[in-house]
Amino acid sequence: DAKTTQPPSMDCAEGRAANLPCNHSTISGNEYVYWYRQIHSQGPQYIIHGLKNNETNEMASLIITEDRKSSTLILPHATLRDTAVYYCIANYGGSQGNLIFGKGTKLSVKP
Amino acid sequence: DTAVSQTPKYLVTQMGNDKSIKCEQNLGHDTMYWYKQDSKKFLKIMFSYNNKELIINETVPNRFSPKSPDKAHLNLHINSLELGDSAVYFCASSQGLRSYTFGSGTRLTVV
Repeated sequence: DAKTTQPPSMDCAEGRAANLPCNHSTISGNEYVYWYRQIHSQGPQYIIHGLKNNETNEMASLIITEDRKSSTLILPHATLRDTAVYYCIANYGGSQGNLIFGKGTKLSVKP
Repeated sequence: DTAVSQTPKYLVTQMGNDKSIKCEQNLGHDTMYWYKQDSKKFLKIMFSYNNKELIINETVPNRFSPKSPDKAHLNLHINSLELGDSAVYFCASSQGLRSYTFGSGTRLTVV
């Protein structure tokens, strides 16, 4: 699995977009980028994933650079309930793959 | 219906005791996991179990033994509990990396 690097913490004002960066410069061609988050004391929750195209769902958008060495998770209108630790994971995504968590980014959404 | 349910939610026990944590999933997933989250909030995979094949993380002491009576259940038995085993233990199931679903966690405190 490719190593990912994320800032340890970020702040965001409520109602503004939260942009969470992730560096995965050693990602291989068949590895996906996955984003999960863990809200305090709860189990981690899937957000979004992508290979090389930008992706959007009801929770967030994922922007992957053309060289695939970095990506950004965008929460378009952050709310207080989005305060959580966000994990960026690079993995080939096969049925036998294991989700390996790094330290993530602690996002604090402030009123 | 809770997709991944684990019991108990809290467990306080003395050093040296043997205890079990139960996990059940109703998602029809083929793979189940146990993760440990310690006081530093680092999530580490302990075991994955896919179609009766157990994959053991070599850093897990052999006092920890997973048991899977069927595809929907993966229990964790811990022998001779130590203070360092205090943590939150999460059960999860998946059908590929996108579909990981975690339980709400079991907070184990060894005194």
